Amino acid sequence: GQSLEQPSEVTAVEGAIVQINCTYQTSGFYGLSWYQQHDGGAPTFLSYNALDGLEETGRFSSFLSRSDSYGYLLLQELQMKDSASYFCAGPDTGRRALTFGSGTRLQVQP
Amino acid sequence: NAGVTQTPKFQVLKTGQSMTLQCAQDMNHEYMSWYRQDPGMGLRLIHYSVGAGITDQGEVPNGYNVSRSTTEDFPLRLLSAAPSQTSVYFCASSKRADIPYEQYFGPGTRLTVT
Repeated sequence: GQSLEQPSEVTAVEGAIVQINCTYQTSGFYGLSWYQQHDGGAPTFLSYNALDGLEETGRFSSFLSRSDSYGYLLLQELQMKDSASYFCAGPDTGRRALTFGSGTRLQVQP
Repeated sequence: NAGVTQTPKFQVLKTGQSMTLQCAQDMNHEYMSWYRQDPGMGLRLIHYSVGAGITDQGEVPNGYNVSRSTTEDFPLRLLSAAPSQTSVYFCASSKRADIPYEQYFGPGTRLTVT
């Protein structure tokens, strides 16, 4: 399998920047994905890092360091609608599948 | 494109009953998967398929069967429902059949077993 660790909860204020970290068990040439899930909704794909470095998509950026088995999701100019759970996901070492972290609940306060 | 569709949206079963959760996608994706999500938890993989006629077990396959006779459909069958199977079930699909980094999820089925 695979194990991905994320903080369970993060709180930030509107307009701020927040970073959600993800560390995983297996180092090597593995990519990392990020998903967003609002309460009562389905997960939606945010980003995928195939290589080391920063990928930017609008207000969201994602970073990967494969040698450190570490990645993060950076959310800028936070808005109330960014309040959601965020999951990192990496390849399962035994299957052609993704393993998801347990998720980070982001609360954006006014 | 409808994307990934799931039926039903809600279901209540009695212990021991069986039922099939339906999942379909119209994006011609080779890869499809089923997850369950318990309150406050992440997604756990039940079964997945890398193409028609090919299925494999995920992390929590016990009590569930799948089949993939067409590219579009990937139904999940609960053989004999148990209260421990109360959960939200998500079906997902991906264009990539090697490692599905980018998956598209259906709206989910909320299942309660009494």
